Amino acid sequence: AQSVTQPDIHITVSEGASLELRCNYSYGATPYLFWYVQSPGQGLQLLLKYFSGDTLVQGIKGFEAEFKRSQSSFNLRKPSVHWSDAAEYFCAVGGQTDKLIFGTGTRLQVFP
Amino acid sequence: NAGVTQTPKFQVLKTGQSMTLQCAQDMNHNSMYWYRQDPGMGLRLIYYSASEGTTDKGEVPNGYNVSRLNKREFSLRLESAAPSQTSVYFCASSEDVGGLGGYTFGSGTRLTVV
Repeated sequence: AQSVTQPDIHITVSEGASLELRCNYSYGATPYLFWYVQSPGQGLQLLLKYFSGDTLVQGIKGFEAEFKRSQSSFNLRKPSVHWSDAAEYFCAVGGQTDKLIFGTGTRLQVFP
Repeated sequence: NAGVTQTPKFQVLKTGQSMTLQCAQDMNHNSMYWYRQDPGMGLRLIYYSASEGTTDKGEVPNGYNVSRLNKREFSLRLESAAPSQTSVYFCASSEDVGGLGGYTFGSGTRLTVV
């Protein structure tokens, strides 16, 4: 069965520091992978997605993610975090005809 | 603005009352979804509609019903609300079930059942 694990429930970083949010997935076929961000009181916004090709994908707001098939991972990164990046981040996996399955989320707190 | 519109944004119900959550999208998407979000549990799929005229159960369908009224609208009904249904509900849509273009989410309905 397909599943998504986000091992970090809560992460705290200082503004300007680098960030990596972890995501591991289980999927029987070629996965489609997504990262979403949710600001307080808002719905989810798509940050980036991976279907095929280059394993390093760029998204909005300066985020990137790398697909590593051998590790079943799709970690989200940002070189320098801004205070406005404080939010909850969700990883999701799906397939060509499969609905998305979401992880439980990682809450990011940014200190000045 | 193009996107997914949910109404109401907030609602308080008494146990046993019924209500319908409304969702409409104007992106001409084929597929629509209802999720609930609870602390520490991420988003769980309640029901979805792969295309107009079809609906299917998701992970947590008990206590809910849905109607795909037309291509734009997908409503979620609670027939007899229970405190366990206190949650934030999100509607989403996508071009197709695989969501290759990603899902577009509404801003949510915060429901409290007392």
